[in-house]
Amino acid sequence: DAGVTQSPTHLIKTRGQQVTLRCSPKSGHDTVSWYQQALGQGPQFIFQYYEEEERQRGNFPDRFSGHQFPNYSSELNVNALLLGDSALYLCASSLTGAGNYGYTFGSGTRLTVV
Amino acid sequence: AQRVTQPEKLLSVFKGAPVELKCNYSYSGSPELFWYVQYSRQRLQLLLRHISRESIKGFTADLNKGETSFHLKKPFAQEEDSAMYYCALSGPGNTGKLIFGQGTTLQVKP
Repeated sequence: DAGVTQSPTHLIKTRGQQVTLRCSPKSGHDTVSWYQQALGQGPQFIFQYYEEEERQRGNFPDRFSGHQFPNYSSELNVNALLLGDSALYLCASSLTGAGNYGYTFGSGTRLTVV
Repeated sequence: AQRVTQPEKLLSVFKGAPVELKCNYSYSGSPELFWYVQYSRQRLQLLLRHISRESIKGFTADLNKGETSFHLKKPFAQEEDSAMYYCALSGPGNTGKLIFGQGTTLQVKP
């Protein structure tokens, strides 16, 4: 089992552009959460998807949106990129009902906005 | 406001010395507290959670509701303990939202 897979691993975008990050959850998991980790900071919760719907959202603007597909994989979209969006984006999958200890994290996508 | 504070960015100790990584939290209600660890070039992974009251790799953490703390301790540090440690909290149940502290880098010198 490859665990949580994220793509791409690195990405460079220009301010104002749009970006899509992808996440494949661990086999057997049905829930995907996204986190933003700025340099020197802990991860910050963006949102969580379950049954193809956004279940909970953190304090992020509407420029951040997501999607979950029937196979439980997920995408994170960021529009109108700002320099401050440069960060490591982490995906974590879990099985609903497994409790807060059930998260498996991916290696992340490093986004650089120039 | 829900918040996790890890006051030390870096903690450096010698092998065999005791270790205490500090974590304080702010939360109205009954939170669940966790410690996550990230070894060099590896993914973030769960180390332990307060509700299980377990000891993992010799580490323990006790939830002190009076002091709103959840400090991570180990009596004798090993070089392989060198890593980044994050304290995190969540509401009860599978809320899907973990609130992380800024992290503390533990450096264990030989």
